[in-house]
Amino acid sequence: EAGVTQSPTHLIKTRGQQATLRCSPISGHTSVYWYQQALGLGLQFLLWYDEGEERNRGNFPPRFSGRQFPNYSSELNVNALELEDSALYLCASSQGPSGRAYRMEETQYFGPGTRLLVL
Amino acid sequence: AQTVTQSQPEMSVQEAETVTLSCTYDTSESDYYLFWYKQPPSRQMILVIRQEAYKQQNATENRFSVNFQKAAKSFSLKISDSQLGDAAMYFCAYRSGETSGSRLTFGEGTQLTVNP
Repeated sequence: EAGVTQSPTHLIKTRGQQATLRCSPISGHTSVYWYQQALGLGLQFLLWYDEGEERNRGNFPPRFSGRQFPNYSSELNVNALELEDSALYLCASSQGPSGRAYRMEETQYFGPGTRLLVL
Repeated sequence: AQTVTQSQPEMSVQEAETVTLSCTYDTSESDYYLFWYKQPPSRQMILVIRQEAYKQQNATENRFSVNFQKAAKSFSLKISDSQLGDAAMYFCAYRSGETSGSRLTFGEGTQLTVNP
């Protein structure tokens, strides 16, 4: 079974530009999560998408946005890039929301990440 | 808000020996899940082991086992018969079970070195 895939593996942009990162979930998973791993800041939750809708977002400005497509793949867009946006961006997927008894099945599995460098 | 603390930034172990990584968390919830992920130099986060708060029995996956102390809010990872491939950054993570789609809250990580 194929795991979570992300593209590109590396992305170099200059300040003020826009970056688009892509994620394909494990087959059968409808939920996609985005996390940022910046040096010195640890892993921080960015966004959660399920069934094409944004369900929750972390404490990030609106220039971080995304979408989820009908095939459950997802894009993360970062507008007006700043130097501090340089980080590893990790995508994770899980089965969709479920009843309390099945929430272990919402375990998140991660992709290999996209390393974004803003110059 | 929930917090996760890993008090050991770095640990080392000899190949074939046993090592324990510590993790404590703070929550007012009774329904939650705990995870250990490893992040090798390739940077991909790999699920090592998971535990439901409702289950008293400690989870085990081959050489990996946890010591879950709910009252103490402690969730340590024991790696037995350490192998060179175990060298990685290990993250402890918390997820609420109160609602679906809860985010993972990560600790700061412990860098594990395995010496031959």
